[in-house]
Amino acid sequence: DAGVIQSPRHEVTEMGQEVTLRCKPISGHNSLFWYRQTMMRGLELLIYFNNNVPIDDSGMPEDRFSAKMPNASFSTLKIQPSEPRDSAVYFCASSPRRGDSPLHFGNGTRLTVT
Amino acid sequence: GNSVTQMEGPVTLSEEAFLTINCTYTATGYPSLFWYVQYPGEGLQLLLKATKADDKGSNKGFEATYRKETTSFHLEKGSVQVSDSAVYFCALSDRGNNDMRFGAGTRLTVKP
Repeated sequence: DAGVIQSPRHEVTEMGQEVTLRCKPISGHNSLFWYRQTMMRGLELLIYFNNNVPIDDSGMPEDRFSAKMPNASFSTLKIQPSEPRDSAVYFCASSPRRGDSPLHFGNGTRLTVT
Repeated sequence: GNSVTQMEGPVTLSEEAFLTINCTYTATGYPSLFWYVQYPGEGLQLLLKATKADDKGSNKGFEATYRKETTSFHLEKGSVQVSDSAVYFCALSDRGNNDMRFGAGTRLTVKP
């Protein structure tokens, strides 16, 4: 299995631009998570899906952030418009839908907004 | 709500030293507990887990025991190596859903 695949690995954009981060979970995994990691705030859960349905989006910072999962093999996290404070590493993770199952993380997308 | 508190770093040790990273949790039910490790430029990966009280998770010489009475899941290793240098995260997951909550992470540096 290729694991969780995220693209792009690095993204540099200017303030005000739209940014789209992509994730392909492990085949057969029912749950998908988006996290954001910064030095100041650590690892924050933004949103997670079970069976393509958003379950908890209380971690999404504001309306500029949106996430979709149109099918079981693809998810996007969009920021529009982007701001310098959105600079962070964004991780996607997937797991089977069981409480004792670990998460499998992608290698992340490092976003820099100038 | 569920939460995890782990000791702040950074932690710097000499090779072959004993490692302990403390982790305590707050949960309303009976969570599963995990330790993840993150190497530079990579995502988190599972190091070990325990799903019920008194269970001991172990992997690569690391161990942690699920202590319900003290709500703790401390990570230990008897003899660290330079290759163990990484950031370590304690986490819990409620059995009823997949809401995985992470601690702040502890950066470990092992010097030769």
